[in-house]
Amino acid sequence: DARVTQTPRHKVTEMGQEVTMRCQPILGHNTVFWYRQTMMQGLELLAYFRNRAPLDDSGMPKDRFSAEMPDATLATLKIQPSEPRDSAVYFCASALTGELFFGEGSRLTVL
Amino acid sequence: GNSVTQMEGPVTLSEEAFLTINCTYTATGYPSLFWYVQYPGEGLQLLLKATKADDKGSNKGFEATYRKETTSFHLEKGSVQVSDSAVYFCALSGSGFQGGSEKLVFGKGTKLTVNP
Repeated sequence: DARVTQTPRHKVTEMGQEVTMRCQPILGHNTVFWYRQTMMQGLELLAYFRNRAPLDDSGMPKDRFSAEMPDATLATLKIQPSEPRDSAVYFCASALTGELFFGEGSRLTVL
Repeated sequence: GNSVTQMEGPVTLSEEAFLTINCTYTATGYPSLFWYVQYPGEGLQLLLKATKADDKGSNKGFEATYRKETTSFHLEKGSVQVSDSAVYFCALSGSGFQGGSEKLVFGKGTKLTVNP
């Protein structure tokens, strides 16, 4: 049963700490997306990659967020330093054509 | 830029009631349109889609028709069940195939609660 795997599922940290979220896309999918979900803003696209190359990261605060794909089986989203306003659920999704398949999300709480 | 507007929730219905969740969009060109569903504690999953005008997407009793003249993609179900309780998201992707999936722009989501 192919699925997108995200870790950690839950993370509580203090302001100023570094946070790294990881995503294993479905094998063979060539496009990976990072979305952030909050009550106020809904789902916002942070960044996405095709064939491991970044296509669009305009939704990401550049000063503290970074997204990478070290290889085809791993995507990372890093926040350094974290702030309380970063508290949200972060979703990774992967796709080949058309349908996006979402992971279960990483719920981040920054105190 | 592209945007999606869907009706504010929450929506509360009794089992077997008729459901409509409105969705309108703004886009250039010929976008593809989607409905995704999110059950509590889970990620989003595709419910149905339509890729061109007048297409009807359908799945699990839900359906939506791509109406270019009204820029709408309203979700409907004739008889809802308790198990349909979830958050529903309307979304669009831009036109132009570039060898893979394009990014989706989502509406804010509509929470549906179905009571027995």
